[in-house]
Amino acid sequence: NAGVMQNPRHLVRRRGQEARLRCSPMKGHSHVYWYRQLPEEGLKFMVYLQKENIIDESGMPKERFSAEFPKEGPSILRIQQVVRGDSAAYFCASSNREGLGNEQYFGPGTRLTVT
Amino acid sequence: GQQLNQSPQSMFIQEGEDVSMNCTSSSIFNTWLWYKQDPGEGPVLLIALYKAGELTSNGRLTAQFGITRKDSFLNISASIPSDVGIYFCAGQLTGANSKLTFGKGITLSVRP
Repeated sequence: NAGVMQNPRHLVRRRGQEARLRCSPMKGHSHVYWYRQLPEEGLKFMVYLQKENIIDESGMPKERFSAEFPKEGPSILRIQQVVRGDSAAYFCASSNREGLGNEQYFGPGTRLTVT
Repeated sequence: GQQLNQSPQSMFIQEGEDVSMNCTSSSIFNTWLWYKQDPGEGPVLLIALYKAGELTSNGRLTAQFGITRKDSFLNISASIPSDVGIYFCAGQLTGANSKLTFGKGITLSVRP
């Protein structure tokens, strides 16, 4: 019974490079959420996707950030031209239903460091 | 944006003691969840609450969904060293399209 998987666990990028973060939801889950966590802070919602659709991207910066959840394969959070302020832990969560009352299960996160 | 308030930022207790944590908001939430996060790991779901007034237990943990729907608390009884970690509350607002709003977390330390 694999949980939510994320890779890589740690990612180091120089300013201006691209970062690609992957998330495989729990088996049977078709709803994926991405959150960002800064040190000493709680998690902040970024984007909610179902297979092939972005449902809510209200927490995603308008530029440089994009997310997808293709029909086959993991969900990808892509950050182009990274800056130092992008350094954070990025968590993916999945659930098996939408709307209120869904329980979201989190992966171990990807810790992005921009040098 | 909306905030969930958790305080104090840190709590220190003796092994075997009970501890209670509160989470409050100025807005009504329809679902409350409590998570625990260990260093370098993702949050682990402890308890989910769906109805105002609901009281739910999971082993030594008990959580309640406040009657006003603006608060929740988590109790840990007979604490043990492995209870050390950061405890987050999270809630879903009405019509929030599934996203969770998190508090800043409370770091719990347990002295043996």
